[in-house]
Amino acid sequence: NAGVTQTPKFQVLKTGQSMTLQCAQDMNHEYMSWYRQDPGMGLRLIHYSVGAGITDQGEVPNGYNVSRSTTEDFPLRLLSAAPSQTSVYFCASSQPPRRGPWNEQFFGPGTRLTVL
Amino acid sequence: AQSVTQLDSHVSVSEGTPVLLRCNYSSSYSPSLFWYVQHPNKGLQLLLKYTSAATLVKGINGFEAEFKKSETSFHLTKPSAHMSDAAEYFCVVSDQTGANNLFFGTGTRLTVIP
Repeated sequence: NAGVTQTPKFQVLKTGQSMTLQCAQDMNHEYMSWYRQDPGMGLRLIHYSVGAGITDQGEVPNGYNVSRSTTEDFPLRLLSAAPSQTSVYFCASSQPPRRGPWNEQFFGPGTRLTVL
Repeated sequence: AQSVTQLDSHVSVSEGTPVLLRCNYSSSYSPSLFWYVQHPNKGLQLLLKYTSAATLVKGINGFEAEFKKSETSFHLTKPSAHMSDAAEYFCVVSDQTGANNLFFGTGTRLTVIP
């Protein structure tokens, strides 16, 4: 049971390039989310999904796209990278609250992205 | 709307002395509250969680937090700091009516002085 995995661990992009951050979980969790972490700002929600085929925007969605074709995978796409997207990105998964009293989110190890 | 405020951006304690990391929350309903820890260049680890079962919550590594509704607080404590406790700590509130999304505080960096 690997939990939540993210690839790559590090990435450097040039302004305008595109890339996809990968996230996968093997816990059969319905909910998955993407957060970004910037110094002094905690983590902020980018996009989330409550199940396969369903996605929605979080607090800071601009410049990012997501899709959820399977329960296991939730990739985050940067279509045209900007220096403002330099950050550490975390993927998380959880079961919905209706499945039990615990709604703990499990986090991946993160992807450190630098946009030059 | 849900939010948390961590009152100290940086706390410094001596090894073996008590730790207090302060957090106030704002929520329009009974909240689920969490403390997460992040060691340097690592991911996030859940320390403890409050989900209305008991106001005093015990977590891993000797940490505790007490939910005080009258003060809208959820402070994190530990009786005796260890060098390995040096990390960033995040107070977090959950969106229980939506997709279980989390709202993070800005973090408190704990330094432990030998």
